[in-house]
Amino acid sequence: EIVMTQSPATLSVSPGERATLSCRASQSVSSNLAWYQQKPGQAPRLLIYGASTRATGIPARFSGSGSGTEFTLTISSLQSEDFAVYYCQQYNNWPGTFGPGTKVDIK
Amino acid sequence: EVQLLESGGGLVQPGGSLRLSCAASGFTFSSYAMSWVRQAPGKGLEWVSAISGSGGSTYYADSVKGRFTISRDNSKNTLYLQMNSLRAEDTAVYYCAKNFLPGPGSSGWYGYWGQGTLVTVSS
Repeated sequence: EIVMTQSPATLSVSPGERATLSCRASQSVSSNLAWYQQKPGQAPRLLIYGASTRATGIPARFSGSGSGTEFTLTISSLQSEDFAVYYCQQYNNWPGTFGPGTKVDIK
Repeated sequence: EVQLLESGGGLVQPGGSLRLSCAASGFTFSSYAMSWVRQAPGKGLEWVSAISGSGGSTYYADSVKGRFTISRDNSKNTLYLQMNSLRAEDTAVYYCAKNFLPGPGSSGWYGYWGQGTLVTVSS
């Protein structure tokens, strides 16, 4: 099973600032990586798949990059609605596995 | 509009059983694999089980293999999860999710999620 790690565990950012979240896989997953956003009491929402393709309706301030074992989610200018927990997920192999999440909170 | 609506959660004693349902609408249900993903209170996401569009192939996490059974009724656009021999560690919100599979061998990503149903295993 591929183990996903995310850093930092918590990221404190001021509105309007840039946020950079990292995700690492224990072995190569090619570009088979997705990012999700989850707000308290809500289901996760798909942001990115294929490491860098935004899902339908996702604002352009969200961007993904990376391949192999190292991935990054960047939020270019944080809006109030972006404070949430972000999870990465690899789907290169069965089972698909999630990272432990990065919480983005208000500085 | 894609909609996924879970039901069937509740309080059950250790060793008990529960069946979750997920009613789907807004897409051609039989054309898509579906999954169950769970989230223990205050914890992260854990994939539980998946089923192909036809229902002919099923997949399980090691933690639930032999205890949980995933199935679907394409005539009713409904996904199921039969959970037996429940344990305290199965306590979680269970989400059904629409799977997108980019190719063979891939477990796919989850494009749409239901709102979740809470399963509590406790005496």
